[in-house]
Amino acid sequence: GNSVTQMEGPVTLSEEAFLTINCTYTATGYPSLFWYVQYPGEGLQLLLKATKADDKGSNKGFEATYRKETTSFHLEKGSVQVSDSAVYFCAPGSYNTDKLIFGTGTRLQVFP
Amino acid sequence: EAQVTQNPRYLITVTGKKLTVTCSQNMNHEYMSWYRQDPGLGLRQIYYSMNVEVTDKGDVPEGYKVSRKEKRNFPLILESPSPNQTSLYFCASSFIRGNTEAFFGQGTRLTVV
Repeated sequence: GNSVTQMEGPVTLSEEAFLTINCTYTATGYPSLFWYVQYPGEGLQLLLKATKADDKGSNKGFEATYRKETTSFHLEKGSVQVSDSAVYFCAPGSYNTDKLIFGTGTRLQVFP
Repeated sequence: EAQVTQNPRYLITVTGKKLTVTCSQNMNHEYMSWYRQDPGLGLRQIYYSMNVEVTDKGDVPEGYKVSRKEKRNFPLILESPSPNQTSLYFCASSFIRGNTEAFFGQGTRLTVV
């Protein structure tokens, strides 16, 4: 079945720093790839997605590129804000599995 | 507004007292799922359902039951809760299986004493 590996957190950054959160996956076929964000006290919500190789998903200044050759989908942001403090989950979808799985989540803490 | 609604948001109960956490979605999704979130363990899938009357075990199903009598509802039942089921629970739904965006409820924080 599918699996996903995310870098462990917490990631602690100062405001305006550059962010990278690594995500690699194993999957059968060519799934869509997702990043979800969980703000304090809330459920997960979709941050961005990419549906095929070399696609770049982007939203709220965050970006991630679907790299089939390295099976990776790293999340980046050029200048983080305090309001970006949250837990980020990487998730491969799949059209041939019944389970929607998630990475363990990476907590990001941004300080002024 | 498209949403997944879980109730209750917070629940404190005693060991052995049966409880149900409700989940309802208004997007006509076929796929619904329950997860528990524990520190250091991420999201672990408890049960999932691909359509009405079709349910299957996830990775941590012990101590839980589910039912899917209607497409929009997917309640999670703890017949005899124990303290190790103290956790944050999320319901999620999506179209088809796993290759589309999932929508999550706000979560239910359960404490079993």
